[in-house]
Amino acid sequence: QVQLVESGGGLVKPGGSLRLSCAASGFTFSDYYMAWIRQVPGKGLEWISYMSSSGSTISYADSVKGRFTISRDNAKNTLYLQMNSLRADDAAMYYCAREAPGYGSGYYDYWGQGVLVTVSS
Amino acid sequence: EIVMTQSPATLSVSPGEVATLSCRASQTVSVNLAWYQQKPGQAPSLLVYGASSRATGVPARFSASGSGTEFTLTISRLQSEDVAIYYCQQYNDWPIVTFGPGTKVDLK
Repeated sequence: QVQLVESGGGLVKPGGSLRLSCAASGFTFSDYYMAWIRQVPGKGLEWISYMSSSGSTISYADSVKGRFTISRDNAKNTLYLQMNSLRADDAAMYYCAREAPGYGSGYYDYWGQGVLVTVSS
Repeated sequence: EIVMTQSPATLSVSPGEVATLSCRASQTVSVNLAWYQQKPGQAPSLLVYGASSRATGVPARFSASGSGTEFTLTISRLQSEDVAIYYCQQYNDWPIVTFGPGTKVDLK
């Protein structure tokens, strides 16, 4: 069965860095577009980044552009999110999500359980 | 950016009754609209895509409709397991996608 398991979250000081990982299993990872979506506890969902199956196409939300970097290792079936210059408003639950099959499908058929990022001094 | 709004913010429904949730887009998204269910302490899960197509395994009591800027999710015969927050999401602007603020459904 499809599984997405995030890791790498934790407490970081403002201005610090974290690298999130999302280990995928149960499907051919290299065939799928993937995304990172975050949710401030008790609040709504915010799409922050997407990467095509080959890694050739990337997009970021304005709120993280220039600070966050998405990447993937198809040999390791893993998606990453490098987060630099973290701010208090980056504190959230971070989910990796699989985009449904088909170019530009745009919706997410599987989500990980999430990893919590706390930004505080 | 396409802004999504949802109403009401909270909906209290008696078990067995109908829940009707609304989602509106600030500009047309055609039928590029998905609905997700998020139960307490869990990740969101896909309910509907293409504005009206149920995802695999979603019970038939969930139905959805709409196109353009106005969309509806209907839960007929509400059950206790349906208590959750429901989010709509447009993907007409792919890869930039946006979510609505959610509607919380609880039991009356």
